[in-house]
This record gives sequence, structure tokens and C-alpha cells, in this order.
Amino acid sequence: GEDVEQSLFLSVREGDSSVINCTYTDSSSTYLYWYKQEPGAGLQLLTYIFSNMDMKQDQRLTVLLNKKDKHLSLRIADTQTGDSAIYFCAEEYNFNKFYFGSGTKLNVKP
Amino acid sequence: EAGVAQSPRYKIIEKRQSVAFWCNPISGHATLYWYQQILGQGPKLLIQFQNNGVVDDSQLPKDRFSAERLKGVDSTLKIQPAKLEDSAVYLCASSLGGSGVYEQYFGPGTRLTVT
Repeated sequence: GEDVEQSLFLSVREGDSSVINCTYTDSSSTYLYWYKQEPGAGLQLLTYIFSNMDMKQDQRLTVLLNKKDKHLSLRIADTQTGDSAIYFCAEEYNFNKFYFGSGTKLNVKP
Repeated sequence: EAGVAQSPRYKIIEKRQSVAFWCNPISGHATLYWYQQILGQGPKLLIQFQNNGVVDDSQLPKDRFSAERLKGVDSTLKIQPAKLEDSAVYLCASSLGGSGVYEQYFGPGTRLTVT
């Protein structure tokens, strides 16, 4: 569970879709999460997916889970400048313990 | 509902000095976490409390770090003596605990600089 990997940077234009990818290692993870961190702030839960689901949609956010490849993605539709932040995926292992990825910095250009 | 409070927000100390951080979780949250977030990395769990008992402190450098959660509410994290590599943001998070979807609420963090 310690190797949760994400690409470091993503740059998109306002109005485009953003796709942030994550790979994890613990196949027994029950839930997988996406958090958002804005400058100088703590992490804020954006969305989550249960491990027996393939997809979850929540307004502009779509989470895709490929359990076979241990790959998780977050798609943000119609990306806005306010979406600029660092996005972390996290896997829950054992009971209420979490490994976080290193974060993907999303830059949205007007 | 008030969020997770942390203080101080910033601290600068010299190596070998001591420092303490304070966290007040959301009222009623049984589980409290301390994370260390080094610049450019994700949060790494240092210690997890369930009420006032320690659930996991396997990644806490116990030779210099200590933490307590008296009465199952507020918590303090101490570093004594500090090293340069302790420079990081220390995040406190709390949660209701239990099974199912598990939302952690994070405080704003304390940014520690060790010179």
C-alpha cells in the first residue's frame, strides 16, 4: 500500500476536461479517495469510490476504477480556474488507515 | 460546525530545539490523525488515535517525536530535538471513525521550518 503514484503536473485550458491518474498497490483497499489541497490549506475530500465499483459520477467529477490494473482516475469536466490546486489520491488499507499519493498539481489557464 | 483547529500556523526553530503543535478536532470525532507533509509529497501518517488510545504509531520516529491525546479530545505533537529534515507541514485530521466511507477533515496545518 505504500506506493501510490501520481504524475506531478497537469496543465489545461479553462473549459477543457482534466484527467488525473493514480496507481495504487493494495488490492484489498476498500475505498479509494480523491482529495483537493489549495495553497495554505488542509486537504478537502472531493469524492470517493467503493472498490467494487467501476465508475462514479458526481456533478463535474467522474471517477474511474480499474481494479485489475490498480488504476484510478479523476476526470473534471469543464475545468475552471478555481479548480487549480493539488489533487491527491488515497487508498484506505487495514482499518481507517491511508496512503496518499504525492499529488498532481493542476494548473488551469484562462 | 467548526473545523479542525491547529496552532501555531507557522514555526521557525533552530535544529536541536524543541517544538510542540496543538490540534483541536471537530467535536465528537473519535479518531484523530497527525500527518507529516514534506514539500512536494503527500501526507504521511505519523500517528492515529482512537479516543485517547494509540491505534498506529508505526511511522512515528519515537526517539524524537511524541504525541498525546488527553481526555480523547485535543492533541499535541512534540519534536525534541528537531532536525533539519523535520521541516514540513504537520497536518491534523479527525474523523467520526467506524466502518464505511471514511471522511477525514483536515486542519490548515502547521508549517515548521528547522534552520
